[in-house]
Amino acid sequence: QVQLQESGPGWVEPSETLSLTCSVSGAGASINSQYWNWIRYSAGKGLEWIGQISPGSKTNYNPSLGGRVTISLHTSKRQVSLTLISVTAADTATYYCARELAARRLDSWGRGTLVSVSS
Amino acid sequence: DIQMTQSPSSVSASVGDTVTISCRASQSINNWLAWYQLKPGQPPKLLIYAASSLDAGVPSRFRGRGYGTEFTLTLRSLQPEDFATYFCQQADSFPHTFGGGTKVEI
Repeated sequence: QVQLQESGPGWVEPSETLSLTCSVSGAGASINSQYWNWIRYSAGKGLEWIGQISPGSKTNYNPSLGGRVTISLHTSKRQVSLTLISVTAADTATYYCARELAARRLDSWGRGTLVSVSS
Repeated sequence: DIQMTQSPSSVSASVGDTVTISCRASQSINNWLAWYQLKPGQPPKLLIYAASSLDAGVPSRFRGRGYGTEFTLTLRSLQPEDFATYFCQQADSFPHTFGGGTKVEI
């Protein structure tokens, strides 16, 4: 049973960089052989797909984020990280990491971490 | 980007009712569609993948259908725990966009 747990600062000032970590446990195989996604939720926008990192650390990102996002793997720590630069109030949301399995389904999610962007 | 349009945005129902939610893709996504349930304070939960496959442990009263651009999620015999917001997501091409959500409320 895989377990995911997001962690982060909770609050970031506008124009700063948001860094989040997703710690993975119980996933069995190396996290480098699996697919990981970041998604965020806000009441105003609903669910928004941020990006994915796949085996071999190939990444795909949502163009709506304007090239501000980076997703990385830290295999020895069993962590998936999300970095979002130049944040604005529009980036205020609950951020989730999720594992993607065959048939492109997000079967396991972390509980999410709320991030507020304000001065 | 593929746009996913859900309807209705909200629906009122009672325990025991049947509710159908629609999701339309702006172009064909084959069957690369999943449905998720979201409740306050909880992470999204996978219900249906590949348009019609029920995820493990999901009650059979949830049914997904469709192919191409038109998809539906049917909730039969609504239970109290089913009152939530439902989202579709396409995984045919990047970015993997979500629909706007449908809130099922009492």
